[in-house]
Amino acid sequence: GQQLNQSPQSMFIQEGEDVSMNCTSSSIFNTWLWYKQDPGEGPVLLIALYKAGELTSNGRLTAQFGITRKDSFLNISASIPSDVGIYFCAGQSLNNAGNMLTFGGGTRLMVKP
Amino acid sequence: KAGVTQTPRYLIKTRGQQVTLSCSPISGHRSVSWYQQTPGQGLQFLFEYFSETQRNKGNFPGRFSGRQFSNSRSEMNVSTLELGDSALYLCASSAQGATTEAFFGQGTRLTVV
Repeated sequence: GQQLNQSPQSMFIQEGEDVSMNCTSSSIFNTWLWYKQDPGEGPVLLIALYKAGELTSNGRLTAQFGITRKDSFLNISASIPSDVGIYFCAGQSLNNAGNMLTFGGGTRLMVKP
Repeated sequence: KAGVTQTPRYLIKTRGQQVTLSCSPISGHRSVSWYQQTPGQGLQFLFEYFSETQRNKGNFPGRFSGRQFSNSRSEMNVSTLELGDSALYLCASSAQGATTEAFFGQGTRLTVV
C-alpha cells in the first residue's frame, strides 16, 4: 500500500529552538494533515492543508502542502517543553472517495528545558 | 461540543476470544474510521463507515469487522484474537464526505494474553 516517509524519526532539541519535519510520498495526495500525539492519548489535529502550495499557520506551527502534492512539512518555532510528543503527517489520496488516511511513521520530539 | 468517545479505554483479552470496541463520533459527524496503532506498524487504516455503510477497507483479515448505527455510533469487532492484535485502536470522526478533517478519540488499548 501507500507509504509516507516521515523524517526525522526523532529530534532532541533545546527549548527555544525551531523545529522542522517533513513527509514525502511516491503518490499524490489531495489533503495533508498534521497531528500530535501524547503518550496514551489519541492524535490531536494541528493543521489541515487542502491546496498545493498552501502555507498555513496555527500559532507557532506552520505547515505547507508541497507544490508536487507529494510532500508536506511542519515547522515549530521557539519550541517549549509542552511541544514534546510524537508528530504525525497524514495524507488522503486523490483516488480515495472517503476518509482513509495514510500516516507517516512519526517524529518523536524531545525538548530540553 | 463533546469530542470522540471510545469505550472501553483499556481491555485485556485471552487469545481466541472476541472483542467489541465502541466509538461515539462528534455530534453531527457521519463518517467514522478505525485505525490500529502498534509500535512496529504505526497507524494503519482498518475501515471507514459513512451513513451505516462501509465505504473503505484496509488490508486486515476478515477477523476484523465493524458496523455503524443510525445515530453514527460505530463498533468494531475482532474475533479469534491473536497476540499480534494487541494495539491501540483509534476511532476518528469526520463531518461529512471526502476531504475533511478527522478528529480522533483517546483510543482503546487492547492487550491480548
